[in-house]
Amino acid sequence: SQQGEEDPQALSIQEGENATMNCSYKTSINNLQWYRQNSGRGLVHLILIRSNEREKHSGRLRVTLDTSKKSSSLLITASRAADTASYFCATDAGGAQKLVFGQGTRLTINP
Amino acid sequence: NAGVTQTPKFQVLKTGQSMTLQCAQDMNHNSMYWYRQDPGMGLRLIYYSASEGTTDKGEVPNGYNVSRLNKREFSLRLESAAPSQTSVYFCASTGQGRVSGELFFGEGSRLTVL
Repeated sequence: SQQGEEDPQALSIQEGENATMNCSYKTSINNLQWYRQNSGRGLVHLILIRSNEREKHSGRLRVTLDTSKKSSSLLITASRAADTASYFCATDAGGAQKLVFGQGTRLTINP
Repeated sequence: NAGVTQTPKFQVLKTGQSMTLQCAQDMNHNSMYWYRQDPGMGLRLIYYSASEGTTDKGEVPNGYNVSRLNKREFSLRLESAAPSQTSVYFCASTGQGRVSGELFFGEGSRLTVL
């Protein structure tokens, strides 16, 4: 079964707007990661947040983690056409060597 | 620095045929992984190798075998392909040890079983 569940499954916004994606998980974790996948390509790591962190920033990305609610959110500010991709959260709930991925959010940025 | 390289990129098989997907990384990583990605299912772990000489089953290992040939290479073998194994296969690696860290992915191998 999938540990991470992203919401929404698909999101379409206008260029320049902010995009927010959510991830929920079921069991305790040490860290949670977000990845991006462009169409037909492999996944690329975006950011890792540890269980003792509540918020982390990287450029236009902001990730929050609420361990009490077992949820995380990824915010992309001032979206660009190049941000069009699928975004996946992944947790280590399967064990230190087994990242478990959610089903992903497909983000479309309209010009 | 190529990162993680997978071959072949595309393959079409008939039911019952066998094939091996090859993966190599040049980042001196200890751990390597094979995932499959199906529409609406996200990525599911098939097998992983925490270090050279060790392999372990993931979530969906049935119908697959793996070999950690050396520190650089981790292959995935389908002994008797089935249509249910039509998927995109991704190899990944990480240099992290006991603590899970960033995975580096290859570009994928797209397999169709007829």
